[in-house]
Amino acid sequence: TQLLEQSPQFLSIQEGENLTVYCNSSSVFSSLQWYRQEPGEGPVLLVTVVTGGEVKKLKRLTFQFGDARKDSSLHITAAQPGDTGLYLCAGARGTGNQFYFGTGTSLTVIP
Amino acid sequence: DAGVIQSPRHEVTEMGQEVTLRCKPISGHDYLFWYRQTMMRGLELLIYFNNNVPIDDSGMPEDRFSAKMPNASFSTLKIQPSEPRDSAVYFCASSYVGGGTEAFFGQGTRLTVV
Repeated sequence: TQLLEQSPQFLSIQEGENLTVYCNSSSVFSSLQWYRQEPGEGPVLLVTVVTGGEVKKLKRLTFQFGDARKDSSLHITAAQPGDTGLYLCAGARGTGNQFYFGTGTSLTVIP
Repeated sequence: DAGVIQSPRHEVTEMGQEVTLRCKPISGHDYLFWYRQTMMRGLELLIYFNNNVPIDDSGMPEDRFSAKMPNASFSTLKIQPSEPRDSAVYFCASSYVGGGTEAFFGQGTRLTVV
């Protein structure tokens, strides 16, 4: 059973388009992270959000943590081929360093 | 720093054989995690250690799986005997409390059991 469900599972868009990826759960998380994974590599951290309603921006990427700390979204503006990869959300429960990963969204940006 | 180092990168073995995966965490990190990634189940946490002590092994699928961390710079994940359904990419990750909660992942070991 996955604690975190991501949607969509697969996404293929043209360069320059905008997109949003969702990460949903019925559980409350103390913090939530977004990672990007490229083929043949391990996931790499993009951002951590800890406060309900928090919004963080990383260049063209905007991350939001839901008010109830059960969900999150990642919005990419003007997607580029370099954004291609598997995007994973990961939630922590309690104060430990243990994170539960979502099901993942595979993004392909076509030049 | 070289990052988290895993070996081997690829492993092909026959069903019933013992498989040992190795991990060297980043120096100074006090948490070490073993994950398994498959298309069907995504990235699953198998076990994690804090200061070389196993904290939660509830994700270890069966008794065929075991993990050890004899010192702060080395950990192993062993599967004995291996089965075809164990085929997956196994990741090791490390983190440290003073650095927040970012986990640094190795490049993974792709295991194929035939």
